[in-house]
Amino acid sequence: SAVISQKPSRDICQRGTSLTIQCQVDSQVTMMFWYRQQPGQSLTLIATANQGSEATYESGFVIDKFPISRPNLTFSTLTVSNMSPEDSSIYLCSVLKTVSGANVLTFGAGSRLTVL
Amino acid sequence: SQQGEEDPQALSIQEGENATMNCSYKTSINNLQWYRQNSGRGLVHLILIRSNEREKHSGRLRVTLDTSKKSSSLLITASRAADTASYFCATGTYNTDKLIFGTGTRLQVFP
Repeated sequence: SAVISQKPSRDICQRGTSLTIQCQVDSQVTMMFWYRQQPGQSLTLIATANQGSEATYESGFVIDKFPISRPNLTFSTLTVSNMSPEDSSIYLCSVLKTVSGANVLTFGAGSRLTVL
Repeated sequence: SQQGEEDPQALSIQEGENATMNCSYKTSINNLQWYRQNSGRGLVHLILIRSNEREKHSGRLRVTLDTSKKSSSLLITASRAADTASYFCATGTYNTDKLIFGTGTRLQVFP
């Protein structure tokens, strides 16, 4: 299965700043997903990033706050803009693999952001 | 919310005991999957069961699915301290590539 490198693994950020998270995959993939996991919570899908088109955002997430780039089939970035303490979360990128007709996700190790 | 619910939220057992986690969901599904997460890291796929299957085994894992009750259970037999992690169910549907994750169960296995 795909190997995903995600960085930074963790960061401490100041309120009002922005941070870009990078996700590199060792093989070409069509769909990449960005998830947020708030402390002690489950995963919430932020957006789906497709190469060559605008990302598709889920309800409650907007491009101005979470701009996403997908310049090629092996790389994507997620920026968390104008951060506030409520943005303190683990951000996870994942890629889709189809196994016998079912979609299975492979995840990066996550980026743990703490906003002060 | 379409998110699935898992119970218990937390489970503590001794090594060698079995651990059972339950997942309930709300929509019609194509498949249900279980993932494991160690200490806030990335999730790892464990096992998948299709909507037309009732039971699946993989090593010490046993998954059941009851589509009439919209529920699934994950059984880990003969647990080990290394099984300590959070476990999430995730559902896939026919008309989207997205997976919807449950609330998770935190499992602590004491040596």
